[in-house]
Amino acid sequence: EAGVTQSPTHLIKTRGQQATLRCSPISGHTSVYWYQQALGLGLQFLLWYDEGEERNRGNFPPRFSGRQFPNYSSELNVNALELEDSALYLCASNPGQEGETQYFGPGTRLLVL
Amino acid sequence: AQSVTQPDIHITVSEGASLELRCNYSYGATPYLFWYVQSPGQGLQLLLKYFSGDTLVQGIKGFEAEFKRSQSSFNLRKPSVHWSDAAEYFCAVGVGLTGGGNKLTFGTGTQLKVEL
Repeated sequence: EAGVTQSPTHLIKTRGQQATLRCSPISGHTSVYWYQQALGLGLQFLLWYDEGEERNRGNFPPRFSGRQFPNYSSELNVNALELEDSALYLCASNPGQEGETQYFGPGTRLLVL
Repeated sequence: AQSVTQPDIHITVSEGASLELRCNYSYGATPYLFWYVQSPGQGLQLLLKYFSGDTLVQGIKGFEAEFKRSQSSFNLRKPSVHWSDAAEYFCAVGVGLTGGGNKLTFGTGTQLKVEL
């Protein structure tokens, strides 16, 4: 069974640009979670999508947004990039029930210059 | 608000020695608890989880963890460490979200170094 996949593996942008990160969940999983792992800030919950809807978001500004497609894959968009957005962005999926284990992808490393 | 504390930022052990990584959590309800491992430049791999029942849980790669409600702890242990265990270890608590999902709140991680 294929795990969670993310693309691209690395992304380099300049300040003010937009970044788009993609995630494909494990087959049968309807929930996708996004986390940011920034140096010095640790792992922080960003967004939760389930059944095509944004269900919850962490303490991040609105320029962090995304969507979930009918096949449950997800896209994270970061607009008006700032230097401090440089981080590893991790996507996780689970079957959508509370308490279920989240399985993580390898991440996308975003560097903002 | 929920929180997770991993008091040891770095730990160095000799190969073959035993290991215990500490984790304390703060959460009002019965927690869902997890340990993940992250190798350099990689995502997170689940080692084990505790939802309910037996407080001693077994995971992959020979790891185990014990849930102690009275101490709000969920320490990770391994009787004999292998050089390949060198990585960063994260303890996390799952917090229920409106609508049925749960977000993970992570500790700051413990970097494990294994001396040969």
